[in-house]
Amino acid sequence: EAQVTQNPRYLITVTGKKLTVTCSQNMNHEYMSWYRQDPGLGLRQIYYSMNVEVTDKGDVPEGYKVSRKEKRNFPLILESPSPNQTSLYFCASSLNPSGAQETQYFGPGTRLLVL
Amino acid sequence: DQQVKQNSPSLSVQEGRISILNCDYTNSMFDYFLWYKKYPAEGPTFLISISSIKDKNEDGRFTVFLNKSAKHLSLHIVPSQPGDSAVYFCAATDSGTYKYIFGTGTRLKVLA
Repeated sequence: EAQVTQNPRYLITVTGKKLTVTCSQNMNHEYMSWYRQDPGLGLRQIYYSMNVEVTDKGDVPEGYKVSRKEKRNFPLILESPSPNQTSLYFCASSLNPSGAQETQYFGPGTRLLVL
Repeated sequence: DQQVKQNSPSLSVQEGRISILNCDYTNSMFDYFLWYKKYPAEGPTFLISISSIKDKNEDGRFTVFLNKSAKHLSLHIVPSQPGDSAVYFCAATDSGTYKYIFGTGTRLKVLA
């Protein structure tokens, strides 16, 4: 089944404790992206990647890192999480870097609480 | 600065009637627009899109209209069904940047 998977689905952590949220897709998509969803703010793009080793900042990249060493994986790294990073996170992928012409497939979401 | 705005946080419609969801944008460089639907505890799923070279796109019960001069797009659902109850996000992109800007969402409730 074609899908985007994220792990973990739920995470409670404390301020400053490094964490990684994994994202994997099995559709051989070149474009991958991370979003956060917050009440009243909708979905905001954090980082995106057009292909292996090619990443760029979205609208809200502060406090996050990403890497794209393999085509299928696009982990989101919070080196020193803070309470304002408490949010619902979505990973998404689409077929080719001309992302506008390709719909994005979203993962099920990761709910993060930073105490 | 919200470049994509959905000014109605919620909308209730009777089953069988038309649902109209609106979206406004400010960036004239946007050239592709999409609508996504989101159910609770799931990721958004793609619904319909439109290129800036068109003013209308239809897919079954769903039609998106684009008014470039007004920087406004709308999603029409006819007839509305209870299963359409969800949060709807509009999104826009400048295809030269690969960045996506989403609106804040409109919660649609279709009453049986």
